[in-house]
Amino acid sequence: AQSVTQLDSQVPVFEEAPVELRCNYSSSVSVYLFWYVQYPNQGLQLLLKYLSGSTLVKGINGFEAEFNKSQTSFHLRKPSVHISDTAEYFCAVRETGGGNKLTFGTGTQLKVEL
Amino acid sequence: DAMVIQNPRYQVTQFGKPVTLSCSQTLNHNVMYWYQQKSSQAPKLLFHYYDKDFNNEADTPDNFQSRRPNTSFCFLDIRSPGLGDAAMYLCATSRDVGSPGETQYFGPGTRLLVL
Repeated sequence: AQSVTQLDSQVPVFEEAPVELRCNYSSSVSVYLFWYVQYPNQGLQLLLKYLSGSTLVKGINGFEAEFNKSQTSFHLRKPSVHISDTAEYFCAVRETGGGNKLTFGTGTQLKVEL
Repeated sequence: DAMVIQNPRYQVTQFGKPVTLSCSQTLNHNVMYWYQQKSSQAPKLLFHYYDKDFNNEADTPDNFQSRRPNTSFCFLDIRSPGLGDAAMYLCATSRDVGSPGETQYFGPGTRLLVL
């Protein structure tokens, strides 16, 4: 079985500052990795995903993430955040062997302040 | 725009009174999922339909049932809601299962309050 750990439940940051949201996973098999964003009172929206190939993945809204197999991490980064990035961010994994079950982390609340 | 729609957005029910949550999709996807998300917790998969095939997660309580009368609609039935069932319920769809690039598309969720 796989699991996802998001150590930071909340990350406050000033507007235009860089941010990194941490995600570590555990799995006995290869996985695909995802980041979703959830704005207040809305569903989850896919930010980016890693399937294979280049370990640096670029997503929507200027976000990117880097897959590090040796550290089993998939941290999300943005060089300059905006007020509108305030939201909950979820990291998720899915086994490559079949099926479509996503296992989510507990989420990180990003709060961008002026 | 193609999308996943959930109604109602907020639902209040009484302890023990059956309640049904609705999900519809215009994406014509084969797979529909129901997740439960309690406050400050990760979304947890309850079950999914692949076309008409129902797939229940092993730890989903019997109190939770689902129906999919056609491709577009899927319902979540809670037969006897308890206080612990208060949560956000998320519906999601995907075109297929198992393909590497498969993405799940989520609706806005229904927040259930049990009094």
